[in-house]
Amino acid sequence: QSVLTQPPSVSAAPGQKVTISCSGSISNIGNNYVSWYRQLPGTAPKLLIYDNNKRPSGIPDRFSGSKSGTSATLGITGLQTGDEADYYCGTWDSSLNAYVFGTGTKVTVL
Amino acid sequence: QVQLVESGGGVVQPGRSLRLSCAASGFTFSSYAMHWVRQAPGKGLEWVALISYDGSDKYYADSVKGRFTISRDNSKNTLFLHMNSLRAEDTAVYYCARDRWASLYCGGGRCNVYFDYWGQGTLVTVSS
Repeated sequence: QSVLTQPPSVSAAPGQKVTISCSGSISNIGNNYVSWYRQLPGTAPKLLIYDNNKRPSGIPDRFSGSKSGTSATLGITGLQTGDEADYYCGTWDSSLNAYVFGTGTKVTVL
Repeated sequence: QVQLVESGGGVVQPGRSLRLSCAASGFTFSSYAMHWVRQAPGKGLEWVALISYDGSDKYYADSVKGRFTISRDNSKNTLFLHMNSLRAEDTAVYYCARDRWASLYCGGGRCNVYFDYWGQGTLVTVSS
């Protein structure tokens, strides 16, 4: 049972925007940095966002991250068919002394 | 370029043991903390364990604590996961992943852990 809650799925048409929420608590998102990962079907996850809102080199600025209180949000603009994947948030939980992932969100491009 | 290659997966009976390896290349292995993350078939990601750059600090998920041991051999650029008393619920693809930092980084009370590189994974199936 994950301590970070994400919507199971979100969808939008090509070119549109989607946002994915990640809800936690003071011991995880509230006090620590959040990262986001994308997992294309049949492949390993890949880092999309770190330090709440920073993009690694090679990740386009269509992807953005933000954090407020005990929640974080991933935004994807200019949606493309290649963005169809599972997306996970994650952070350290200082009470559990463990890293925790979100429940995961499947993005579908209509 | 950074490469992480897992090996050692396979089919194992419940209660038996297995050791996974992760061969690292393309970076100074001994300078980075490393993790194991797993994914059961059709399920989400689950963090398993973290080891600091020199092996002095280790952290485990409650689901594997006391059964799994993470270790590393910096002379061979290799990360290990020793899995004992395996259960059906341990069936998953196991990924090794590099941490951005040398150890659990908590500055000013705020911890910052993330995985900047991942291996392709190795499948462990626990079944009789």
